[in-house]
Amino acid sequence: EAGVTQSPTHLIKTRGQQVTLRCSPISGHTSVYWYQQALGLGLQFLLWYDEGEERNRGNFPPRFSGRQFPNYSSELNVNALELEDSALYLCASSLLESLFFGSGTQLSVL
Amino acid sequence: KNEVEQSPQNLTAQEGEFITINCSYSVGISALHWLQQHPGGGIVSLFMLSSGKKKHGRLIATINIQEKHSSLHITASHPRDSAVYICAVRFPGSQGNLIFGKGTKLSVKP
Repeated sequence: EAGVTQSPTHLIKTRGQQVTLRCSPISGHTSVYWYQQALGLGLQFLLWYDEGEERNRGNFPPRFSGRQFPNYSSELNVNALELEDSALYLCASSLLESLFFGSGTQLSVL
Repeated sequence: KNEVEQSPQNLTAQEGEFITINCSYSVGISALHWLQQHPGGGIVSLFMLSSGKKKHGRLIATINIQEKHSSLHITASHPRDSAVYICAVRFPGSQGNLIFGKGTKLSVKP
């Protein structure tokens, strides 16, 4: 069974651009979580989607947004990129309380 | 203010040693996760606890709800255990919104 898959693995953008990150959860998992891991800041919760709806969001500005599709895959969109958005973006899916993480997308903003 | 404190921040051990990593949190929680992150970013969920103790192979996780404290123990440590171990808590009413500790970097020398 495939695990949580994320694409792309690495991405380089310039300040002001927009980026879309993608996540496919484990088959049968309806919840998808997005986390940001910036250097020196640790992991921070970004967004939670379940059954196609945004259920909760962390303390991030509105330029961080996303959506979940009918097949439960998800996109994270970041508009007007800033240098401090450089980070590892991790997606996780869950079954009951267990979390399964993807390998992440490393975003560099120059 | 970081509501989840881990100690130690860094830990070096010799192969075979018994290792303990601690996690304290500030208010009552509904669940606590222990995560393992290897170089390169991949995260594996080791345990989810709401009470008591869980064991998986050489790993043991305990939680004391009254003292707001959890420990992760590794018996007979091995160099392949070298990783960052992260404690994350979920507060009541905030599903998906995990608060993460800053992690404990463990290095096990042969």
